[in-house]
Amino acid sequence: GAGVSQSPRYKVTKRGQDVALRCDPISGHVSLYWYRQALGQGPEFLTYFNYEAQQDKSGLPNDRFSAERPEGSISTLTIQRTEQRDSAMYRCASSLVSGGGLHNEQFFGPGTRLTVL
Amino acid sequence: SQQGEEDPQALSIQEGENATMNCSYKTSINNLQWYRQNSGRGLVHLILIRSNEREKHSGRLRVTLDTSKKSSSLLITASRAADTASYFCATGIIQGAQKLVFGQGTRLTINP
Repeated sequence: GAGVSQSPRYKVTKRGQDVALRCDPISGHVSLYWYRQALGQGPEFLTYFNYEAQQDKSGLPNDRFSAERPEGSISTLTIQRTEQRDSAMYRCASSLVSGGGLHNEQFFGPGTRLTVL
Repeated sequence: SQQGEEDPQALSIQEGENATMNCSYKTSINNLQWYRQNSGRGLVHLILIRSNEREKHSGRLRVTLDTSKKSSSLLITASRAADTASYFCATGIIQGAQKLVFGQGTRLTINP
């Protein structure tokens, strides 16, 4: 079946504007994760959901960042009043089940490249 | 902050040779995963090894895990040009088994 999809693939915005990034996980996957990746670095955890419940948002940098997954499928990461330092690749991933078991592999989407001017 | 540290940061070898990358981490883990990232593309999951496993194979990949030393290694045998990519280890920590903590990656270049 289809993998994780994200939209838009590229987003250029002006400082101060709000942006909404969308993630469509693999169908049936319970858990959904958001990461941010700076150039030349590994992804850094932002937040994750099991079904519609946000389980951990400890990685969100500040209160300008928020995420939701209202129906337990598609998720939106929103950044309000964007700043230049928010420029990065934002990656979404999903996994089949929750917990630390065998099927905890996370499958990543292609990412959204956000550029804040 | 990132937990894992890959070593080396960059590796360049000839096609056909074996490539070994190492990863060290700091806290107790539930599992450790290796990912590959080609230039301009997404992250591809390669292999997952659980904390109670010591070695795992998948095709030309061999992963070892030493929890006493908090380290893992990824061996790619008979390397190919298509293996050129960045390789990341990611740890699933016990307190938050859903959260992966990535290292900074090893940039592998396979020369023809």
